[in-house]
Amino acid sequence: KNQVEQSPQSLIILEGKNCTLQCNYTVSPFSNLRWYKQDTGRGPVSLTIMTFSENTKSNGRYTATLDADTKQSSLHITASQLSDSASYICVVSDNNAGNMLTFGGGTRLMVKP
Amino acid sequence: DAEITQSPRHKITETGRQVTLACHQTWNHNNMFWYRQDLGHGLRLIHYSYGVHDTNKGEVSDGYSVSRSNTEDLPLTLESAASSQTSVYFCASSTGLGTEAFFGQGTRLTVV
Repeated sequence: KNQVEQSPQSLIILEGKNCTLQCNYTVSPFSNLRWYKQDTGRGPVSLTIMTFSENTKSNGRYTATLDADTKQSSLHITASQLSDSASYICVVSDNNAGNMLTFGGGTRLMVKP
Repeated sequence: DAEITQSPRHKITETGRQVTLACHQTWNHNNMFWYRQDLGHGLRLIHYSYGVHDTNKGEVSDGYSVSRSNTEDLPLTLESAASSQTSVYFCASSTGLGTEAFFGQGTRLTVV
């Protein structure tokens, strides 16, 4: 069964600090990996989409990495801001007919002043 | 601007009642999806559609149905609401397989 595991489940950091969120997956065959940001009471919003051949991708202060060999990804947030407080969800798409998405449980990040 | 909207945003209903949640997108996307989000679980797929008159069951489809009569709408119906269906429901759409999915704002459903 396809699975996506994220760690930590929750994280508290001070404003201005950096942090890294982890994602391990067992989805096969792999198509792409996405990171979403979900603010409280809102729907998820895409941050990055990475295919097999991409090792790193940035979106402003967010940088995602992908190691397809070890089936791991990370999301690094630089110089955190209060507005970064949200849940971050790792989502992996398989390469079978249908390209189904498997969602991780998310990491809840709280940035404190 | 193109968008995806869900209605209502909040709903309280009684056990056994039929409930329909609406999802409308203006991107002209072929693919539409319904997910539920519960504490301790990632988003789980309920039903999905790859085009008009196409519907498919997802991981947690029991007790739910959908219909796709046009490109823009994919309403989700709970035939006989149960307390276990209390959840936050998200609709999403995408242009094609493997492409970015855009999510609605969610509907918080409480079954009492």
